[in-house]
Amino acid sequence: AQKVTQAQTEISVVEKEDVTLDCVYETRDTTYYLFWYKQPPSGELVFLIRRNSFDEQNEISGRYSWNFQKSTSSFNFTITASQVVDSAVYFCALSEAAGNQFYFGTGTSLTVIP
Amino acid sequence: DAGVIQSPRHEVTEMGQEVTLRCKPISGHDYLFWYRQTMMRGLELLIYFNNNVPIDDSGMPEDRFSAKMPNASFSTLKIQPSEPRDSAVYFCASSLAFGTNNQPQHFGDGTRLSIL
Repeated sequence: AQKVTQAQTEISVVEKEDVTLDCVYETRDTTYYLFWYKQPPSGELVFLIRRNSFDEQNEISGRYSWNFQKSTSSFNFTITASQVVDSAVYFCALSEAAGNQFYFGTGTSLTVIP
Repeated sequence: DAGVIQSPRHEVTEMGQEVTLRCKPISGHDYLFWYRQTMMRGLELLIYFNNNVPIDDSGMPEDRFSAKMPNASFSTLKIQPSEPRDSAVYFCASSLAFGTNNQPQHFGDGTRLSIL
């Protein structure tokens, strides 16, 4: 079973639209960590955010915001007023404090059309 | 600050040849990870080290793959002999902590490996 599910394989939006990337995770641990990474066309993986399981506060960083809901095991990522530079593949990831693995989702490819 | 440095950026070689990928982690990071990314399988964790010691190599696909970390500032991933199905992008990442108080992994730019 997938530990991290990103059901949206590809999304296209027009510039300035808002877009939400979904991430659903699965774990039995009470202590775990969630991450989002961005992989632009150039190929590198860029860290965006880390969240631990005890901190359900939503976070905003500029045009980026994250909604963490333990009740639905979701950690969704919203880009407000999207820009062409936001075009990339976005990965959600999970790591359990007791485990030895770092689970990546399959990624969502976002295309922002000018 | 210098990030994770990988070399080479690109490698093209013929099957059967030995391939060595190199990684310099961020100074002070105790954990080093090797990943492989393909279209079919996505990002796979191959092996990770803590304080230069291999902790979990369960993701290493087969005996043709080996990884070493002789010191805190250098690691290699070796494939011998290489096969066309090893073609992928290989990423190295480092982190301050893993498991308890898990910290973000910072990735290098990757090595794009093509085996002909």
